[in-house]
Amino acid sequence: QKEVEQDPGPLSVPEGAIVSLNCTYSNSAFQYFMWYRQYSRKGPELLMYTYSSGNKEDGRFTAQVDKSSKYISLFIRDSQPSDSATYLCAMSEGGSYIPTFGRGTSLIVHP
Amino acid sequence: DTAVSQTPKYLVTQMGNDKSIKCEQNLGHDTMYWYKQDSKKFLKIMFSYNNKELIINETVPNRFSPKSPDKAHLNLHINSLELGDSAVYFCASSQAYGTSTDTQYFGPGTRLTVL
Repeated sequence: QKEVEQDPGPLSVPEGAIVSLNCTYSNSAFQYFMWYRQYSRKGPELLMYTYSSGNKEDGRFTAQVDKSSKYISLFIRDSQPSDSATYLCAMSEGGSYIPTFGRGTSLIVHP
Repeated sequence: DTAVSQTPKYLVTQMGNDKSIKCEQNLGHDTMYWYKQDSKKFLKIMFSYNNKELIINETVPNRFSPKSPDKAHLNLHINSLELGDSAVYFCASSQAYGTSTDTQYFGPGTRLTVL
């Protein structure tokens, strides 16, 4: 079993929908949780960064961390075709900051 | 103005050849990384350099040798290329390794195909 599990999708939604992307993990030492967005043929770019449990909101994006369930989520409100990309979750331990990545979920938002 | 750049963008080569990929960052960061993204999209750290010194060396065949001539550059040399080396290689940089809010900035990737 991989340390970080993420459904590869693809997830196809209509424009304006609320999107929910999720990851589960097995390493209870993870404390830092990140979401990256990767457009086709481009490098990943950091979207959201959360420490420990709780919610964090940035515009249309909300990141949630539930450490007791070892489950993290990214919600996208009012999704747009420009949100079509692969979303990778990543997490790292406190003492070592190299993230472990999920395999990414491909999101397609159609007009 | 590109923050993290890599050359070449595409590399097609025969098994057994030796090749290099170059990376440069103009962000003034201290730390640089090489990642490999395989066909299943898993992104895995290979190496990290902080101030030109190797600080992370994951389980990578010794055919792969990173070199950091200065803080702004981190090159990757691969000897005796194998079919399994086909992947996208990403360079990244960050302000300072080991800080809790360190953000990594990725380059556009080098798509390596070994025939």
